[in-house]
Amino acid sequence: QVQLHQWGAGLLKPSETLSLTCDVSGGSVSDDDWTWIRQPPGKGLEWIGEISRGASAFYNPSFRGRVSTSVDTSKNQFSLRMSFVTAADTAMYYCARVITSYGLIIKYFDTWGQGALVTVSS
Amino acid sequence: SFELSQPLSVSVALGQTATITCGASRIGNGFVHWYQQKPGQAPVLVIYRNVNRPSGIPERFSGSNSGNTATLTISGAQPGDEADYHCQLWDRTTAVFGPGTQVTVL
Repeated sequence: QVQLHQWGAGLLKPSETLSLTCDVSGGSVSDDDWTWIRQPPGKGLEWIGEISRGASAFYNPSFRGRVSTSVDTSKNQFSLRMSFVTAADTAMYYCARVITSYGLIIKYFDTWGQGALVTVSS
Repeated sequence: SFELSQPLSVSVALGQTATITCGASRIGNGFVHWYQQKPGQAPVLVIYRNVNRPSGIPERFSGSNSGNTATLTISGAQPGDEADYHCQLWDRTTAVFGPGTQVTVL
């Protein structure tokens, strides 16, 4: 059974770069597609982007230009980087596995990391 | 693009049925998924592709989707069902989440 464990810097200053990593255990990072989702305090979930098993990535347009994702097959992990963070990026960040079906028109998230709280404050 | 609407909160008496809705124009033409999120925890998938329950999810959780409304039903609500519930669908190249519904079991 796939499990995800994530970590990364918790406190950032405005304009710094957020960096989070998600470790995959019980499976191979090359076998699935992976995603990042965040949740500001007291608010709903917001999808950030996805990196596929073929290492192609696509992102929520609201983050375009600030976000990148990558996969490290040697470490069996995937990562998120978000540049020029502001207080609005303060949130709990989750990594998750993507399940895709019906020719890519259905995607949902069946396994989640425990979450990493990122706070942006000067 | 889709914008999903959910009631802010739903209350249900212990052992009764809770109904949580997720609304959008013609949402019934697509596939909706539901996540349960307890305080301080990561979301857990409870319904996928409108009606399917992952392994380990109790049978009292069921889903439907038709017209302009997708519905998550909890039959015989238990204290452990108190949580936020989020609906989600995939809109071309983006995942869209509803704002979430807080369910209270009285």
